[in-house]
Amino acid sequence: AQSVTQLDSQVPVFEEAPVELRCNYSSSVSVYLFWYVQYPNQGLQLLLKYLSGSTLVESINGFEAEFNKSQTSFHLRKPSVHISDTAEYFCAVSRSEKLVFGKGTKLTVNP
Amino acid sequence: DTGVSQNPRHKITKRGQNVTFRCDPISEHNRLYWYRQTLGQGPEFLTYFQNEAQLEKSRLLSDRFSAERPKGSFSTLEIQRTEQGDSAMYLCASRPGRQGPYEQYFGPGTRLTVT
Repeated sequence: AQSVTQLDSQVPVFEEAPVELRCNYSSSVSVYLFWYVQYPNQGLQLLLKYLSGSTLVESINGFEAEFNKSQTSFHLRKPSVHISDTAEYFCAVSRSEKLVFGKGTKLTVNP
Repeated sequence: DTGVSQNPRHKITKRGQNVTFRCDPISEHNRLYWYRQTLGQGPEFLTYFQNEAQLEKSRLLSDRFSAERPKGSFSTLEIQRTEQGDSAMYLCASRPGRQGPYEQYFGPGTRLTVT
């Protein structure tokens, strides 16, 4: 069985500061990794995914995540955040049809 | 592509009542998923369909829960004899039927409050 741990439930940062949202997973087999973002009163949107190949994956809005197999981590980073990045971020793993999510990290970007 | 839609968006019901939610997936997506998200938690898998066949159910899906996808298009999730512990956001997702770890597209969810 797979599990996901998001180490920080809330992360407050100032606008234009860098941010890292941490995600560690547990699995006895290789998995696929995802980051989803949920804005208030909306469904989840895929931010980026790691399936295979390059361990560094990027999204179109400046986020990136690096798959580290030895540390079983898939941390999400952005070098400079905007107010509009305020949302809840979920890390998820999958090996079959279902996604297994972490508890989420609420990112709050303050002016 | 109009996205995954869910109705109603909000439902308030009294304990013991039955409720039914509807999910319309993206057209031609033959895989459909239901998740439940409680306050402070990430979504938890409930069940999924490939076309009209329900292929996997979580142990979270008690006997009071039933899901259907009769014609392989929209799906319904029914909860009988609701309990306060059923209060949650119910999320639906869909994806194309190609093999592989393709992303799931989520709807806005139905928020259920059981009083």
